[in-house]
Amino acid sequence: NAGVTQTPKFQVLKTGQSMTLQCAQDMNHNSMYWYRQDPGMGLRLIYYSASEGTTDKGEVPNGYNVSRLNKREFSLRLESAAPSQTSVYFCASSRQGSVEQPQHFGDGTRLSIL
Amino acid sequence: AQSVTQLDSHVSVSEGTPVLLRCNYSSSYSPSLFWYVQHPNKGLQLLLKYTSAATLVKGINGFEAEFKKSETSFHLTKPSAHMSDAAEYFCVVSPHAGNMLTFGGGTRLMVKP
Repeated sequence: NAGVTQTPKFQVLKTGQSMTLQCAQDMNHNSMYWYRQDPGMGLRLIYYSASEGTTDKGEVPNGYNVSRLNKREFSLRLESAAPSQTSVYFCASSRQGSVEQPQHFGDGTRLSIL
Repeated sequence: AQSVTQLDSHVSVSEGTPVLLRCNYSSSYSPSLFWYVQHPNKGLQLLLKYTSAATLVKGINGFEAEFKKSETSFHLTKPSAHMSDAAEYFCVVSPHAGNMLTFGGGTRLMVKP
């Protein structure tokens, strides 16, 4: 009963390095999301994919790219990491892009940029 | 535009006493509202949601919330706190027909024995 699986769980990078965060869901959901969580700010949407083959920017997309590899997988890439991208990153999925369908979250990736 | 304000960043209660976590929202649309809970080092779990049906919404683990349009509030309550309720709670708003969630800053609930 995996749900949403994120890898890695922890990562430390140096400024300027690149990194891809992986996310996979086994619930046959159509929509997937990437958020970042910073203290006192709740979660902010970086990118989302309403369905396989589509991606759209969220509230804070700068410095990130995404790939919806297939229905199960949605990856987030930092091309040139910056200290401001130190955060906890959450992937989520939902059956459809509708509030009637709740989002299911992974356990997060804790990323530190030195 | 929409926004969410959680009025307390930290709330401390004793085990067995009531819990009140406060949330106010603003939305240009008829909103859907949610409460999520996050336990340490875990992802978020949906507690309950309001999507324009009954204004008093019951969720998991004995939590409930009441949608008050006149006060633009969606406060979360529980009659009797349990140690396992210690976590961070997020109030979330979304346009009723959309899928973009806007999160509040979170309220950390501490439960004292």
